[in-house]
Amino acid sequence: NAGVTQTPKFRILKIGQSMTLQCTQDMNHNYMYWYRQDPGMGLKLIYYSVGAGITDKGEVPNGYNVSRSTTEDFPLRLELAAPSQTSVYFCAIRPPGQTLDEQFFGPGTRLTVL
Amino acid sequence: AQSVAQPEDQVNVAEGNPLTVKCTYSVSGNPYLFWYVQYPNRGLQFLLKYITGDNLVKGSYGFEAEFNKSQTSFHLKKPSALVSDSALYFCAVRDYTDKLIFGTGTRLQVFP
Repeated sequence: NAGVTQTPKFRILKIGQSMTLQCTQDMNHNYMYWYRQDPGMGLKLIYYSVGAGITDKGEVPNGYNVSRSTTEDFPLRLELAAPSQTSVYFCAIRPPGQTLDEQFFGPGTRLTVL
Repeated sequence: AQSVAQPEDQVNVAEGNPLTVKCTYSVSGNPYLFWYVQYPNRGLQFLLKYITGDNLVKGSYGFEAEFNKSQTSFHLKKPSALVSDSALYFCAVRDYTDKLIFGTGTRLQVFP
């Protein structure tokens, strides 16, 4: 998975609990992304970052927060988990300066909120 | 708004036969199109992309895609399907803000 590590692989949360999904890359790429994948819906962009200290909202940011204190790490935070956040979450990276290059994806975190 | 459509939820093909997975797009300006594959319990893997130039793009694992501007299509093809090609395939377009917009995916099932 192209140097992108995601932890945990699986997690079950109760409604209202919080958690952080971790994403770490060892390729020194500036661009990082968080997607969620719901069945039959494709991937939706939650948040993205173009470099350390810079983050921006994607298509479905509500209920999530991110931070980017280092180039390597881009954690995704769920503060008050809701059943609607049950999904598979993917982190992705892209090389800097190559706007037409492909993204590389991590293996994903499967989250269930009960 | 930029978008892609994958009209088929599932495509079934016999091993050894040619396969096609369809994708149509809607963009303003030049389209930058991508195909990704997802194997079970894995992240997406890049297959190929169209940026400019030759309308027939060759990618990984023997796949190719044909860009057709008049039909606004970017269909994924392979001359001879393998059982191991069975997976979920996503078409994507890069929008004007430099983010990827994904289709809903097509499940390819190749039967022995």
